[in-house]
Amino acid sequence: DQQVKQNSPSLSVQEGRISILNCDYTNSMFDYFLWYKKYPAEGPTFLISISSIKDKNEDGRFTVFLNKSAKHLSLHIVPSQPGDSAVYFCAASGGSNYKLTFGKGTLLTVNP
Amino acid sequence: DVKVTQSSRYLVKRTGEKVFLECVQDMDHENMFWYRQDPGLGLRLIYFSYDVKMKEKGDIPEGYSVSREKKERFSLILESASTNQTSMYLCASSPLGEQFFGPGTRLTVL
Repeated sequence: DQQVKQNSPSLSVQEGRISILNCDYTNSMFDYFLWYKKYPAEGPTFLISISSIKDKNEDGRFTVFLNKSAKHLSLHIVPSQPGDSAVYFCAASGGSNYKLTFGKGTLLTVNP
Repeated sequence: DVKVTQSSRYLVKRTGEKVFLECVQDMDHENMFWYRQDPGLGLRLIYFSYDVKMKEKGDIPEGYSVSREKKERFSLILESASTNQTSMYLCASSPLGEQFFGPGTRLTVL
């Protein structure tokens, strides 16, 4: 049973445009959400997170939106750059549980 | 900066061999994790540890064991490697919340 779902395996955008990556979750106990970026043959690197007490968090070109009623979060990258091309993983944790549950990832390709 | 290191970037082993994957973190984190990443399956948790000598099974522990004798070191052991354990293995450490990952070990079992 997949508790964190990234329904788009891949996404292709033009340089300079907005990239929107989506993530849905089913577990109501999740209260902390993270996005990671992963290049081939490297470990994932943390991008941005959001707590369930917020509905938006911004860091430079990256913004994460959380819609708790819909159990949905999204990552916006504006403007997209070719160096953003990577696999993006959504992750969630809940309560005192420090485990993260990851989605399957979305491959973002930013075309010059 | 948090540093998580893994003993090998690439490893080739034969079916039936015992395999040790080592992970070391330098930030005094309580929690450490082992994942495997496979195409189309994302990151799946194998085992984790929240203290020295403590371990808990993750989502796919079968065929694996772990050891945590020191706070900074977390080892993943494949008792008898099989071809379906060919994968990218990722170690992570965490105080709480955000996890910091190592560079990964690409293991091929022939």
